[in-house]
Amino acid sequence: GEDVEQSLFLSVREGDSSVINCTYTDSSSTYLYWYKQEPGAGLQLLTYIFSNMDMKQDQRLTVLLNKKDKHLSLRIADTQTGDSAIYFCAESMARNDYKLSFGAGTTVTVRA
Amino acid sequence: DAGVIQSPRHEVTEMGQEVTLRCKPISGHNSLFWYRQTMMRGLELLIYFNNNVPIDDSGMPEDRFSAKMPNASFSTLKIQPSEPRDSAVYFCASSLVRGGGSSYNEQFFGPGTRLTVL
Repeated sequence: GEDVEQSLFLSVREGDSSVINCTYTDSSSTYLYWYKQEPGAGLQLLTYIFSNMDMKQDQRLTVLLNKKDKHLSLRIADTQTGDSAIYFCAESMARNDYKLSFGAGTTVTVRA
Repeated sequence: DAGVIQSPRHEVTEMGQEVTLRCKPISGHNSLFWYRQTMMRGLELLIYFNNNVPIDDSGMPEDRFSAKMPNASFSTLKIQPSEPRDSAVYFCASSLVRGGGSSYNEQFFGPGTRLTVL
């Protein structure tokens, strides 16, 4: 079935790295995504990774995928106050390519 | 591009009233999604349209909820009668689903409508 889990909260000091973790249960996932939701706004795609990749880097963002453990992580280097938001992990599958299964979201708070 | 447009941004109504939420997807997108976000249940997919046709409405909570997409540039989500437990943020999202085995699916979200039912 489709089940995506994330820890709910993360507090990080400005300038440090943030690591947000996600686990999923469906091994047929083809794409995995990270979305960011800022206060009062809708979700916005941050980055994604195809299931045959282990890692993807995009400026301050690094996505790691461990297919064996069904574990996805997002690392934000040099975390800034503007990174304070809710981060959602999501997966899509070939059999149902229109549908995204979202995790509950991790609220990241950046403290000075 | 203006992105996905939703109206109203905030709606406060009394129990039993009809509520209509509106969405204009991004031009050229062929798929539209309505989601509901609450603290208790997170982000839930209510209904999905492809080329204006409802494909999956299994997430619609009950008959009080209905959604329409009369054309490619407009959709509504209606709640009649509304109840306090319907209070949530409702998001509309659109995407270009290519099919043919490619399942990459970037969904573009609107700013949401915050609904409060008293």
